[in-house]
Amino acid sequence: DAKTTQPPSMDCAEGRAANLPCNHSTISGNEYVYWYRQIHSQGPQYIIHGLKNNETNEMASLIITEDRKSSTLILPHATLRDTAVYYCIVRVEAAGNKLTFGGGTRVLVKP
Amino acid sequence: DGGITQSPKYLFRKEGQNVTLSCEQNLNHDAMYWYRQDPGQGLRLIYYSQIVNDFQKGDIAEGYSVSREKKESFPLTVTSAQKNPTAFYLCASSVGTSGSSYNEQFFGPGTRLTVL
Repeated sequence: DAKTTQPPSMDCAEGRAANLPCNHSTISGNEYVYWYRQIHSQGPQYIIHGLKNNETNEMASLIITEDRKSSTLILPHATLRDTAVYYCIVRVEAAGNKLTFGGGTRVLVKP
Repeated sequence: DGGITQSPKYLFRKEGQNVTLSCEQNLNHDAMYWYRQDPGQGLRLIYYSQIVNDFQKGDIAEGYSVSREKKESFPLTVTSAQKNPTAFYLCASSVGTSGSSYNEQFFGPGTRLTVL
């Protein structure tokens, strides 16, 4: 499995953009990068995913470097409700779509 | 509303007792999963099922058992053989388990199991 490395925590000011980095230097060519977030005591919520190209949806943007060894999740205008643990996951193509969760980044959005 | 339900939200059991956690989905998803989460940790896969009447062990299957008799249901039994059963248990489902990029997992609200 390609492992991911994320900073354990970060703070962000409400209304500002939050940029969450993730390293996945051993990613293989057919593995996607997925981002989920988990608000305290709830199930994780899917945010976005990508393979090579940058992606954007109503929640966030995903920037993947050209060598695919790292990526950045961008929350364009963080709100207090974005306070959560954010997980960067590289999906294993075999073994039934298994998601391997690391420790994630604990994001605290402050007013 | 379509979604995944887990019940109960909180569950208490005495040590040595087996306990079954419920997971139901009405999303018509083929694949279902069980994860365990300990405080401050990420999720670890216990079991998963790609189709009815079939399931595979995940990374930490010892002390757990599952069944998949219906597409909508994937109950998890925590047996007395599980050494540290107290944890937050999450069920998830996805459309399938192929390499498609449209296979994100949808999670239930979780069951917090405490063994006394």
